[in-house]
Amino acid sequence: EDQVTQSPEALRLQEGESSSLNCSYTVSGLRGLFWYRQDPGKGPEFLFTLYSAGEEKEKERLKATLTKKESFLHITAPKPEDSATYLCAVHGSNYQLIWGAGTKLIIKP
Amino acid sequence: ETGVTQSPTHLIKTRGQQVTLRCSSQSGHNTVSWYQQALGQGPQFIFQYYREEENGRGNFPPRFSGLQFPNYSSELNVNALELDDSALYLCASRNREGAQNTIYFGEGSWLTVV
Repeated sequence: EDQVTQSPEALRLQEGESSSLNCSYTVSGLRGLFWYRQDPGKGPEFLFTLYSAGEEKEKERLKATLTKKESFLHITAPKPEDSATYLCAVHGSNYQLIWGAGTKLIIKP
Repeated sequence: ETGVTQSPTHLIKTRGQQVTLRCSSQSGHNTVSWYQQALGQGPQFIFQYYREEENGRGNFPPRFSGLQFPNYSSELNVNALELDDSALYLCASRNREGAQNTIYFGEGSWLTVV
């Protein structure tokens, strides 16, 4: 069964304290792994798509990496405005996205 | 700006009533999916439409139905509303034949059933 697990559920960091969020997945025929950011009460905002193991993508303070079993979202020197829930989803061989429950990230000034 | 617009943004309905939520996608996005997101959880797939036909469905009962129109708009209809239907409903669209597999979301419609 296709499955996505994100950890930790919540993460509190001081401003400037770098860390990583994890997304573990099992899916038949990976057609893409997605990272989204979601602010309270809003729709998910697209961050990255990764397609194959070894691929990396960067955007400002965020860097996403992918292996055959998991993806990491690295946050370097985060700022309070990076506080949000970060969602991971995989697109398998069938028609739907399988989502993790998200990691709630809180950056304290 | 994702180019995906949902309406209404918030609404309150009574148990047993029916509701229609609407989504307007980007031009050229031939695939639209609807998701239900409860508080503190990831989105749950309801169904997907491709070129105006349903081509995938999640674990939701038949009282959840949808339509996709040629002008890249779509609807989610929910009949016989239950209290547990209270959630954020998200519409997502993409171009299935496009080079990029990016899926764009609207801001969602908050439904409260009382």
